[in-house]
Amino acid sequence: GAGVSQSPSNKVTEKGKDVELRCDPISGHTALYWYRQSLGQGLEFLIYFQGNSAPDKSGLPSDRFSAERTGGSVSTLTIQRTQQEDSAVYLCASSPGLAGGEQYFGPGTRLTVT
Amino acid sequence: DAKTTQPTSMDCAEGRAANLPCNHSTISGNEYVYWYRQIHSQGPQYIIHGLKNNETNEMASLIITEDRKSSTLILPHATLRDTAVYYCIVRSYNYGQNFVFGPGTRLSVLP
Repeated sequence: GAGVSQSPSNKVTEKGKDVELRCDPISGHTALYWYRQSLGQGLEFLIYFQGNSAPDKSGLPSDRFSAERTGGSVSTLTIQRTQQEDSAVYLCASSPGLAGGEQYFGPGTRLTVT
Repeated sequence: DAKTTQPTSMDCAEGRAANLPCNHSTISGNEYVYWYRQIHSQGPQYIIHGLKNNETNEMASLIITEDRKSSTLILPHATLRDTAVYYCIVRSYNYGQNFVFGPGTRLSVLP
């Protein structure tokens, strides 16, 4: 079946602009995660959604970052007033939501802030 | 989550077995060992996970020591396409636990 998809694959934006990144999880997966990966670095957890529960936002680096998940499926990560340090690959993962379930990652969105 | 220690890089000859070690000396009883890999410019890919018994699937084998303080991921016949960064992660078997990725091991499979 289809895996996790993300769009756009690449996004170049000017400093100060807002951007929206989209994630389509695997159908039926109730858990959805956002991570980011700066060049040459490991993955940094951002936010987690599980079903209709309140999201775990503990990894968001600032209040310029927000995310929503509509209808328990598609998720949008929004970065307001982008800064150069926001440049990274933003990865989305979904999981069946069962205890211990492995996460399946999308290909990521490469964000470049100029 | 317990911390893991992996070598920064390793080389392996094509067609030979690649054995990637991981130390997790502070692992607790409810924590599993997961392995992921990330091929250049792609999202991480799940490989295998286990608790205390050795595990095998179509991609790899996972050998966990009896005291669970270390493990080894084995790719039985490495190919050039197995060149990637391999991440060893320990994580409790709970809802919602995000994966904490360290720097991993960069495996280079050489022709």
